[in-house]
Amino acid sequence: EPEVTQTPSHQVTQMGQEVILRCVPISNHLYFYWYRQILGQKVEFLVSFYNNEISEKSEIFDDQFSVERPDGSNFTLKIRSTKLEDSAMYFCASSDQVNEQFFGPGTRLTVL
Amino acid sequence: QKEVEQDPGPLSVPEGAIVSLNCTYSNSAFQYFMWYRQYSRKGPELLMYTYSSGNKEDGRFTAQVDKSSKYISLFIRDSQPSDSATYLCAMNTGFQKLVFGTGTRLLVSP
Repeated sequence: EPEVTQTPSHQVTQMGQEVILRCVPISNHLYFYWYRQILGQKVEFLVSFYNNEISEKSEIFDDQFSVERPDGSNFTLKIRSTKLEDSAMYFCASSDQVNEQFFGPGTRLTVL
Repeated sequence: QKEVEQDPGPLSVPEGAIVSLNCTYSNSAFQYFMWYRQYSRKGPELLMYTYSSGNKEDGRFTAQVDKSSKYISLFIRDSQPSDSATYLCAMNTGFQKLVFGTGTRLLVSP
């Protein structure tokens, strides 16, 4: 069964460093998303991406964040200068219909 | 008022019990309702997807939506220890952003 994959599973970085989180969505899906979940809190929407552009973003998704689909299979989230409060699980999701979103296993980001 | 409210639990039941999980919401524009299961430090797994009001059944799972009351439920029949997880409700207006509840932690004891 097709699934969303994410790498790395765990990323440790120093505050102020740049990180890139990678995702391979399900192959025939057209809509891509990033969410995050701070430990013990709810899943929060960051950004959605369709047709090579951002279609919606939350107020969390500030100028430190960017997304890219560099080729036909990968979808990346970049955080330019990480802060302690960026420590969280980051989930990539994809969908072919607008509302059935399938999530990847997540990348645990730890900022020291 | 939070957009989506969900009791965090934990909800403890014996194996074989019927489990009822619920969410309330405030945004009457929500049209699409989902239930996800999340194991510790894993990604949410889509269990059920419903549109508008009514019931939907899939195996041991039944999802109910009552838009007039802004209330959704997930029922699990014949619960198993492997059902122990956090159950997340999520919803949207038909656009792309999902709004999640905080999740209810379910513990099914053998």
